[in-house]
Amino acid sequence: EAGVAQSPRYKIIEKRQSVAFWCNPISGHATLYWYQQILGQGPKLLIQFQNNGVVDDSQLPKDRFSAERLKGVDSTLKIQPAKLEDSAVYLCASSSPLTSGNNEQFFGPGTRLTVL
Amino acid sequence: AQSVTQPDIHITVSEGASLELRCNYSYGATPYLFWYVQSPGQGLQLLLKYFSGDTLVQGIKGFEAEFKRSQSSFNLRKPSVHWSDAAEYFCAVGAYSGGGADGLTFGKGTHLIIQP
Repeated sequence: EAGVAQSPRYKIIEKRQSVAFWCNPISGHATLYWYQQILGQGPKLLIQFQNNGVVDDSQLPKDRFSAERLKGVDSTLKIQPAKLEDSAVYLCASSSPLTSGNNEQFFGPGTRLTVL
Repeated sequence: AQSVTQPDIHITVSEGASLELRCNYSYGATPYLFWYVQSPGQGLQLLLKYFSGDTLVQGIKGFEAEFKRSQSSFNLRKPSVHWSDAAEYFCAVGAYSGGGADGLTFGKGTHLIIQP
């Protein structure tokens, strides 16, 4: 079974530029999550999708961050414009109670963003 | 709001010695508890999880954890560490609701250093 795929793996941009990250979850997983992991900290949930609907985006900085999951499969997370404090690893995860047990989330390798 | 505390930022253990990493959580209901490991440049790998039942859970790589409701703790243990165990360890808490598995709340992590 293929894991969660993310691209790009690394991205360097200047502040005020825009950037987008892509995630392809495990096949059949209805729930998709985006986490932000700042250096030296644990991951923090940004947004959760159930199929193509948003379940929780309470910690998403909506003035600059946006995310979508069209057709309930792949997802894109966008930052526009980026700030220095957005430098972090962005992790995508997916889960399904039908295939992975209660609340077990499978994580992708992450995208490391550096904002200069 | 739920929270996770990992009181030890760094722990140094000699190879072959036993290990215990501490985790305390705050959650209003019965939590689902997890330990993840993250090696440099790698994604998060699930070590073990607790949902219900036996409070002593076994995981991969020889790790185990014990859920103690009275102490709100879920400490990770290993009887004999190997140099390859050097990594960052994260404790996390979550739940399952009608919208699918909720996003996880992570602790800040414990950095494990193995001395030869």
